[in-house]
Amino acid sequence: SAVISQKPSRDICQRGTSLTIQCQVDSQVTMMFWYRQQPGQSLTLIATANQGSEATYESGFVIDKFPISRPNLTFSTLTVSNMSPEDSSIYLCSVRVLQGSLGNTGELFFGEGSRLTVL
Amino acid sequence: AQSVTQLDSHVSVSEGTPVLLRCNYSSSYSPSLFWYVQHPNKGLQLLLKYTSAATLVKGINGFEAEFKKSETSFHLTKPSAHMSDAAEYFCVVSPSGGSNYKLTFGKGTLLTVNP
Repeated sequence: SAVISQKPSRDICQRGTSLTIQCQVDSQVTMMFWYRQQPGQSLTLIATANQGSEATYESGFVIDKFPISRPNLTFSTLTVSNMSPEDSSIYLCSVRVLQGSLGNTGELFFGEGSRLTVL
Repeated sequence: AQSVTQLDSHVSVSEGTPVLLRCNYSSSYSPSLFWYVQHPNKGLQLLLKYTSAATLVKGINGFEAEFKKSETSFHLTKPSAHMSDAAEYFCVVSPSGGSNYKLTFGKGTLLTVNP
């Protein structure tokens, strides 16, 4: 398993500003992800945070809006840039534990999320 | 390609009665399947997972799910609901082979437990 800490747990921000969310994992993991959960919705994958290289973004998400850093195997940050009220969401960091010879059957572990409200 | 459909957006039960949360999936690969629970203002917690071993999977807090390939279903059940089970539940599918590691989340089922 993995224990994931996210900061801040919640914040209220003004339109046009940027906020950086931090994710710290208690063990070295290969795969780290950032998800967005809009109010009353399911989770949408923003990007895969790659250690030492640029993140891999999903369709509809771009680096200029959601820059991601991953300087090592236990830490990542997601920045929400030039925020608007539509960015009000929960942002969740997650890691995947690889298991067995198939490699990708492991579950995701989640942080408790960062609840962002943009006014 | 893969997808998951949670057939009910909201399920309401009385405390002590059975719980059934329905999930159907489609996947081009032999899938891994998961159920997660999200309590209010909390992150997601894994309830149970199916990864091509036993088709009846037991999870935490008395929940279990049965993988039925012929029906492409992975319904979540619990014999007796407790007030603390009130939460949002997500069914998740992932291919268990190949290089595609991406998980696909269902839209969620909100479980309400009435006293």
